[in-house]
Amino acid sequence: DTGVSQNPRHKITKRGQNVTFRCDPISEHNRLYWYRQTLGQGPEFLTYFQNEAQLEKSRLLSDRFSAERPKGSFSTLEIQRTEQGDSAMYLCASSPTQNRDEQYFGPGTRLTVT
Amino acid sequence: TQLLEQSPQFLSIQEGENLTVYCNSSSVFSSLQWYRQEPGEGPVLLVTVVTGGEVKKLKRLTFQFGDARKDSSLHITAAQPGDTGLYLCAGNTGTASKLTFGTGTRLQVTL
Repeated sequence: DTGVSQNPRHKITKRGQNVTFRCDPISEHNRLYWYRQTLGQGPEFLTYFQNEAQLEKSRLLSDRFSAERPKGSFSTLEIQRTEQGDSAMYLCASSPTQNRDEQYFGPGTRLTVT
Repeated sequence: TQLLEQSPQFLSIQEGENLTVYCNSSSVFSSLQWYRQEPGEGPVLLVTVVTGGEVKKLKRLTFQFGDARKDSSLHITAAQPGDTGLYLCAGNTGTASKLTFGTGTRLQVTL
């Protein structure tokens, strides 16, 4: 049974650079979520997809952030012109439509902006 | 914005002790999840509760959902070092698919 996978696990970048993260959900799950977690806090919702449709975006998702799920399978989260405040753990989760409340998380991508 | 408050924030106990973690909100949730997270990893789902007053057991862990579906508790019996981690409650209001997470309880169990 393959869980949610995320790549890369760690990313160090300089301020102003663009970064892209990938998430591969559990294969039969059609809902996919992105969350951000900073040190000492619980995860905060960023956006979610049902199949390829992006259905909700948080106000935390500024214009520099964009997420896609082109074929309804894997998803990418891109951050343009990174800022030091973007440093965080970016978590991806997936859930089946019939039980959307049970979200299964990947290991996360730790982003450090220097 | 719904807010889930957890208490205590930190808990350091010895192996064999019992403990209870609380998750409280002023909002009603259609369901509530408990997760455990270890450093550098994503949260791992422990349980989902959906019915007011529901009690679920997972080995030494007992989860309860409040009658009004605004609060929940996690009780661990005879804690072990392997229980060490960050415990997070998360709620779904039913009107959106996103989870709102609590502030977390960091548990340290020592020998």
